[in-house]
Amino acid sequence: ENVLTQSPATLSLSPGERATLSCRASQTVTSYLAWYQQKPGQAPRLLIYDASKRATGIPARFSGSGSGTDFTLTISRLEPEDFAVYYCQQRSDGPPLTFGQGTRLEIK
Amino acid sequence: QVQLQESGPGLVKPSATLSLTCTVSGGSIGTFYWSWIRQSPGKGLEWVGYIYYTGITNYNPSLKSRVTISLDTPNNRFSLRLTSVTAADTATYYCARHLRGFDNWGQGIHVTVSS
Repeated sequence: ENVLTQSPATLSLSPGERATLSCRASQTVTSYLAWYQQKPGQAPRLLIYDASKRATGIPARFSGSGSGTDFTLTISRLEPEDFAVYYCQQRSDGPPLTFGQGTRLEIK
Repeated sequence: QVQLQESGPGLVKPSATLSLTCTVSGGSIGTFYWSWIRQSPGKGLEWVGYIYYTGITNYNPSLKSRVTISLDTPNNRFSLRLTSVTAADTATYYCARHLRGFDNWGQGIHVTVSS
């Protein structure tokens, strides 16, 4: 199983600041990595797929980068609605598809 | 816009079978993968399994012996059966469509395993 480790577990920032979230895979996923945002009581929302491609309707302040085993989600300038939990997910080496344990982005 | 809606019982007894259905509206169930994903209270996301529109399935090895996902193409829906449930199966269960990412999700249904 390809284990995804996200860091940090919690990130405390203020609106307007830049957020950098990391996801490291235990085995290469080439570029088959996605990022999701989840708010309380809601289903996750796809932000980024194939490491760097923004999903439909996702603002340009969200960007993804990386390949192989190390990936980054960057939110260039935090808006109040961006404070949520973020998950990475890989689909590279067949089942199981796995998720990271999440990074909680909270208001400082 | 494709919409997914989970349905089924919110309470299941230990050792029984959990059965959920996901109804897809606003689009055809063809051409995509359709997954079940669960989230235990206060915990992260766990992929349960998927079915391709052709009927091919793939399951999480940790659940494989207990899981069946099936397709009802004429009614544009797919279903999950999870046998021999325990308290560890208590979770919110989501159905989701995916190709390169899970791009459409149901709102989720909370299932509690308890006598």
